[in-house]
Amino acid sequence: DTEVTQTPKHLVMGMTNKKSLKCEQHMGHRAMYWYKQKAKKPPELMFVYSYEKLSINESVPSRFSPECPNSSLLNLHLHALQPEDSALYLCASSQGAGNYGYTFGSGTRLTVV
Amino acid sequence: QQQVKQSPQSLIVQKGGISIINCAYENTAFDYFPWYQQFPGKGPALLIAIRPDVSEKKEGRFTISFNKSAKQFSLHIMDSQPGDSATYFCAARGNTGTASKLTFGTGTRLQVTL
Repeated sequence: DTEVTQTPKHLVMGMTNKKSLKCEQHMGHRAMYWYKQKAKKPPELMFVYSYEKLSINESVPSRFSPECPNSSLLNLHLHALQPEDSALYLCASSQGAGNYGYTFGSGTRLTVV
Repeated sequence: QQQVKQSPQSLIVQKGGISIINCAYENTAFDYFPWYQQFPGKGPALLIAIRPDVSEKKEGRFTISFNKSAKQFSLHIMDSQPGDSATYFCAARGNTGTASKLTFGTGTRLQVTL
């Protein structure tokens, strides 16, 4: 299995809702990432987990809460989002800080209404 | 220090032509330079990558040229095909010691015409 699987593919949520995005990989990768991508823009790093510990938080607002339950799973919990948070949320994984290849999932298209 | 500059913003190439996309970086600590291809509604897919101790890498129709002294690298797509029409991102990897992070260029939208 050489894929990063993200669910759901599409999500519409209200500003008072709580929802979660899920990411799963079975490649034995020990680093996992959340990126946010707005239309016609490059992906922007949000969080990095290395060996299941949060290693990098790029000053992301607290309405985004990451969680890494185990080495194969990565969640992003969403609460009280704003319409400007609407974007494609991408998960990626790599073998770790000492290895180079990143594999991206297809993303979750999030719309906040 | 963490920026990666990419040009051109958009590119139109005829089928069979050569597509060239350029990137420049500032941080000499970057240690890995991948190129990603992204189709609408999809995540970025790794196309080809190079390390700074190599000046050129070729995989099929795709070639990366790397100039360490100038802190520049470029993607050449030979014999461009309509199926190559996509957005291309260069990136550079920085290593904090406990984790790594990719910094992306601004992207190039490539259109290959018949």
